[in-house]
Amino acid sequence: AQSVTQPDIHITVSEGASLELRCNYSYGATPYLFWYVQSPGQGLQLLLKYFSGDTLVQGIKGFEAEFKRSQSSFNLRKPSVHWSDAAEYFCAVGAMGAGNMLTFGGGTRLMVKP
Amino acid sequence: EAGVVQSPRYKIIEKKQPVAFWCNPISGHNTLYWYLQNLGQGPELLIRYENEEAVDDSQLPKDRFSAERLKGVDSTLKIQPAELGDSAVYLCASSLGGLAGELFFGEGSRLTVL
Repeated sequence: AQSVTQPDIHITVSEGASLELRCNYSYGATPYLFWYVQSPGQGLQLLLKYFSGDTLVQGIKGFEAEFKRSQSSFNLRKPSVHWSDAAEYFCAVGAMGAGNMLTFGGGTRLMVKP
Repeated sequence: EAGVVQSPRYKIIEKKQPVAFWCNPISGHNTLYWYLQNLGQGPELLIRYENEEAVDDSQLPKDRFSAERLKGVDSTLKIQPAELGDSAVYLCASSLGGLAGELFFGEGSRLTVL
């Protein structure tokens, strides 16, 4: 069975600083990987996804993520954080052959200091 | 285009009472999911429908939870009787189906059991 670990429960960065949110997955085959963002009281919105090909994927709102098979990681990055990026971020892994069932990590809450 | 619609957004009930949540997926999306999100945690799959068929309900506590998706469109998730530990956000999502298609989430129904 697949699993996802997000080691950082909370992260605080200053506005304008760079950001990296960590995600490690466990899955025996090639995974499908996703990052979702959830603002307070809202549903989850897809930021980006990796299926195959280029290991650096670009998403919405200036986010990118890099798939590193050797490290079983799919870290999310943004070069300059805006106050509106404060939210909860979830990494998820999908299993090929299992429909679109996603397994989510526990999330990382991002706070942005002015 | 309308997104995934859920109701009610908030529900407060006393323990042992029944409660029902409704979800209307994006038009044309064959696959519908119910996820449970406890406070400070990532979503966990409860049940997945392909059209009107429940293809994965292994995580649904069947002693008190039930779900249906009549005519393969709207879906209802019911809890009877509710327990204190059921307090959580119940998220509905839909997708076009197929491998690794994007899941679109509703805003969720927040349940508080007193």
